[in-house]
Amino acid sequence: GAGVSQTPSNKVTEKGKYVELRCDPISGHTALYWYRQSLGQGPEFLIYFQGTGAADDSGLPNDRFFAVRPEGSVSTLKIQRTERGDSAVYLCASSPQEGTYEQYFGPGTRLTVT
Amino acid sequence: AQSVTQLGSHVSVSEGALVLLRCNYSSSVPPYLFWYVQYPNQGLQLLLKYTTGATLVKGINGFEAEFKKSETSFHLTKPSAHMSDAAEYFCAVKWGGQGNLIFGKGTKLSVKP
Repeated sequence: GAGVSQTPSNKVTEKGKYVELRCDPISGHTALYWYRQSLGQGPEFLIYFQGTGAADDSGLPNDRFFAVRPEGSVSTLKIQRTERGDSAVYLCASSPQEGTYEQYFGPGTRLTVT
Repeated sequence: AQSVTQLGSHVSVSEGALVLLRCNYSSSVPPYLFWYVQYPNQGLQLLLKYTTGATLVKGINGFEAEFKKSETSFHLTKPSAHMSDAAEYFCAVKWGGQGNLIFGKGTKLSVKP
């Protein structure tokens, strides 16, 4: 079956611009996670949705970052006033329900802020 | 804060040799434990997991890992390395009541012919 998909695969933007990154989870998965992976590091948690609501957004670095999941399926990560330090690979993962332990990851979106 | 430590950012082995990638976590509270593999320009793929039960778990591609509570460790092993095992490996931990995974920094495995 189809896995987690993320679009775009690559995004180059100028400092100060707004970007949106999209995640399509595996059909039927109720839990959705966003992580950020900087060069040479492991993924770092950003936000987690259970259904439509953000169950935990403690990993968002500041108020320039925001994510939504309005219908409990597709999610969009939004970054305002991008900075060069936001350059990273943004990973999305989903799992069948909270408490089902494994997470299935998408290929990521590589964001470069120039 | 809870953390995951992977000893060795780079490990190099010869083809056919034993692979041992180390992972330790910070809390005495038993977590759920995972190993993921990441091939170049690809997403993370689950290799194996420990949640409850038998402490020696087997995963895909001949890998296995053993949960040792007394050592707070979950090291990944494979008896005989293959060239196709060259990738980056991440240990990840989830504590009960917490939704997200906490990852180690990763270990890049190289396999020499």
